[in-house]
Amino acid sequence: NAGVMQNPRHLVRRRGQEARLRCSPMKGHSHVYWYRQLPEEGLKFMVYLQKENIIDESGMPKERFSAEFPKEGPSILRIQQVVRGDSAAYFCASSGQNTGELFFGEGSRLTVL
Amino acid sequence: TQLLEQSPQFLSIQEGENLTVYCNSSSVFSSLQWYRQEPGEGPVLLVTVVTGGEVKKLKRLTFQFGDARKDSSLHITAAQPGDTGLYLCFGAGGSNYKLTFGKGTLLTVNP
Repeated sequence: NAGVMQNPRHLVRRRGQEARLRCSPMKGHSHVYWYRQLPEEGLKFMVYLQKENIIDESGMPKERFSAEFPKEGPSILRIQQVVRGDSAAYFCASSGQNTGELFFGEGSRLTVL
Repeated sequence: TQLLEQSPQFLSIQEGENLTVYCNSSSVFSSLQWYRQEPGEGPVLLVTVVTGGEVKKLKRLTFQFGDARKDSSLHITAAQPGDTGLYLCFGAGGSNYKLTFGKGTLLTVNP
């Protein structure tokens, strides 16, 4: 399967723990985007990365959230000291160029107890 | 500020009916994409429209891009339960990645 791969699909954390979500883009894609989605809502942009560079993180909370896309390996969205309000589905998408055609993974559903 | 307005937000119809959903903005886009998302899954790209006035057909789905490239519509003919899902539009052009998806139209087709 050459699609966008996200893991874990489901993650349960207690308040104060850390959550790490991984995303491997589609083969040949160098642009990665992270979106957050609450139930029955649309997708909210968080961060846009290219290899080793954060292009735009304006949609990401300035505290506790960070993202990276290293030269080797998947992109990682990291949430430190999680709170219940962080519970959501986090989707990763990739594109070959900044064309707007995004290919999404199946999401990682974070539940904070 | 929500840059993409989708309507209606919710739509529940019977199998066999026709429907149209809309995506409107004050911004001009170089292209616009429609996605469908089913529960528990990620959005799946349905179509990209690029040229103002363009019409694309995908089986029973017809997509139209407005002449001014600011809006789009999706028409479904003879809807089926398998069409149920959240339909999202997304405009591209410039800092397109920032143009948060519209809230979508949640379509339910009842058998």
